[in-house]
Amino acid sequence: QVQLQESGPGLVKPSQTLSLICTVSGGSISRGSYYWSWIRQPAGKGLEWVGRIYTTGSTYYNPSLKSRVTISADTSKNQFSLKLISVTAADTAVYYCARAGDGSGSYGREYAFDIWGQGTVVTVSS
Amino acid sequence: DIQMTQSPSTLSASVGDRVTITCRASQSISSWLAWYQQKPGKAPKLLMYKASSLESGVPSRFSGSGSGTEFTLTISSLQPDDFATYYCQQCDTNLFTFGPGTKVDIK
Repeated sequence: QVQLQESGPGLVKPSQTLSLICTVSGGSISRGSYYWSWIRQPAGKGLEWVGRIYTTGSTYYNPSLKSRVTISADTSKNQFSLKLISVTAADTAVYYCARAGDGSGSYGREYAFDIWGQGTVVTVSS
Repeated sequence: DIQMTQSPSTLSASVGDRVTITCRASQSISSWLAWYQQKPGKAPKLLMYKASSLESGVPSRFSGSGSGTEFTLTISSLQPDDFATYYCQQCDTNLFTFGPGTKVDIK
């Protein structure tokens, strides 16, 4: 049973860098064909996809955040991480990591997030 | 980029009601549409994928339909556990996008 767990600081100062890690257990992030993603949700608002890293290591980001986001993977630790630079109060949100399968149907659910972490609250404030 | 809309934004219903939520894409997304249920303080839960495929463990009162630009999620007989917010989500050329959500509350 694959499980995801987010970790990282709950408080970040404005203009600094938000760094989060998603630890994957029960399966390898370097096997199969999955999109390992970060998704965020400001309090009382909807879901916003931040970006993803594919099993091969390729990345793709939400165009609205692209200039500030980096997602990377550490296969030795079975983790993938999020870095968001130059944060403001608008980046305050619950951050989730999640897994989606590719379009083949052989891995997970096609382009749908079937496994989520529990989420971690990040507040940007001085 | 493809934009997603949902209607209604809020829906008041009673236990036993048949409920339908609509999701529209700004351009065709074939059948790459998923539906999620989210309760306060919890991560979203996958209900449907590929527009009409029911996720394992999800009750059969949930169903999905549609293709192209218009999709629906139907709950055939609303149960107390179904009061929640529902989101649609699409994937197009590497970009994932969620709809704004539909809150289903008690009438």
